[in-house]
Amino acid sequence: NAGVTQTPKFQVLKTGQSMTLQCAQDMNHEYMSWYRQDPGMGLRLIHYSVGAGITDQGEVPNGYNVSRSTTEDFPLRLLSAAPSQTSVYFCASRHGGNTIYFGEGSWLTVV
Amino acid sequence: SQELEQSPQSLIVQEGKNLTINCTSSKTLYGLYWYKQKYGEGLIFLMMLQKGGEEKSHEKITAKLDEKKQQSSLHITASQPSHAGIYLCGAVSGAQKLVFGQGTRLTINP
Repeated sequence: NAGVTQTPKFQVLKTGQSMTLQCAQDMNHEYMSWYRQDPGMGLRLIHYSVGAGITDQGEVPNGYNVSRSTTEDFPLRLLSAAPSQTSVYFCASRHGGNTIYFGEGSWLTVV
Repeated sequence: SQELEQSPQSLIVQEGKNLTINCTSSKTLYGLYWYKQKYGEGLIFLMMLQKGGEEKSHEKITAKLDEKKQQSSLHITASQPSHAGIYLCGAVSGAQKLVFGQGTRLTINP
């Protein structure tokens, strides 16, 4: 049982490049979500999913796409990276009303 | 949508002193999570409160949930340098969205 696995941990992108942050969980959790955390701020919800095939927007969805083709995986895609997307990204999963499990974070810098 | 407001946003206390961090919701709280984050690191689960009036403790940290006030408080007794970090409260909204407050940055001075 690996919990929530996020990759990569660190990434530097050039403006306009695209990339995918991977998130996988092996706990059969229905709910998965992506957050970004900027300096001095809490976690802001980007996108979330309540089950395979179902996704919805959070507070700051612009510039990001997600898909949930399987229960285990919830990748976050940056279509055309911008410096404003420099942030730390966290993936999370939970089952029902239980504990939320977070990945270790992905540090993304867009230059 | 549900919003969580944490206060204070930043807190500096002398080692050994007690402190309280509050988390206030714009809507009814059905459950409240508290997490701690060391600077530049991931999130550490502290506690989850699910019922009004519920109170949980872990070592020197106690959290309470007041549903009527739509508020939760996190109290640290006899603070230590190891308590320093960012404290985040999170809650599930009616649409199953899991949202978080903006965080409280705690500094412990020796």
